[in-house]
Amino acid sequence: ELKVEQNPLFLSMQEGKNYTIYCNYSTTSDRLYWYRQDPGKSLESLFVLLSNGAVKQEGRLMASLDTKARLSTLHITAAVHDLSATYFCAVDNNNDMRFGAGTRLTVKP
Amino acid sequence: EAQVTQNPRYLITVTGKKLTVTCSQNMNHEYMSWYRQDPGLGLRQIYYSMNVEVTDKGDVPEGYKVSRKEKRNFPLILESPSPNQTSLYFCASSPRWGQVEETQYFGPGTRLLVL
Repeated sequence: ELKVEQNPLFLSMQEGKNYTIYCNYSTTSDRLYWYRQDPGKSLESLFVLLSNGAVKQEGRLMASLDTKARLSTLHITAAVHDLSATYFCAVDNNNDMRFGAGTRLTVKP
Repeated sequence: EAQVTQNPRYLITVTGKKLTVTCSQNMNHEYMSWYRQDPGLGLRQIYYSMNVEVTDKGDVPEGYKVSRKEKRNFPLILESPSPNQTSLYFCASSPRWGQVEETQYFGPGTRLLVL
């Protein structure tokens, strides 16, 4: 059974600092997704990673995928308060989507 | 405006009283799915549909039914709700799941409380 683990689950960081969120998954998959959820809101797509070595960047966020290690990372550069949200990774297992538990990020001034 | 809509947004009901949560998308998407979100568990997929008249179980289908008679609609049916189905429910759609660069577009969510 496919399991998706994120860590950390909670992350408090200061503005201007860098940090990485990790997403490990247990079985082979070639599709990994990152989503953002603001409190009380729906999910917003951030990145779609489709192949080993894929790297995507949008603003202060950069996501990468290592299918051999079954690991994806979401790197935050020079965090700002607007990045405070919960971030989810999700893995496609033959159309059956499995999500991580989410990482609640708080960026403090 | 391209969107996924859900109704109702909030619902309080009692154990055993059948209910339906509607989901509709206006983007002509083939793929639709339902998730429930519970604290500490992330999102768990309930059912998904690759196209009209094609539905499949996700991770947690017990206690739920779905149908896909039209491309735009994908209702979630709880025949006999129980308190453990109290949760936040999201509907999502995607143009054609599994295609390059396709992602899912999520509805606003339905918060359900079963007493």
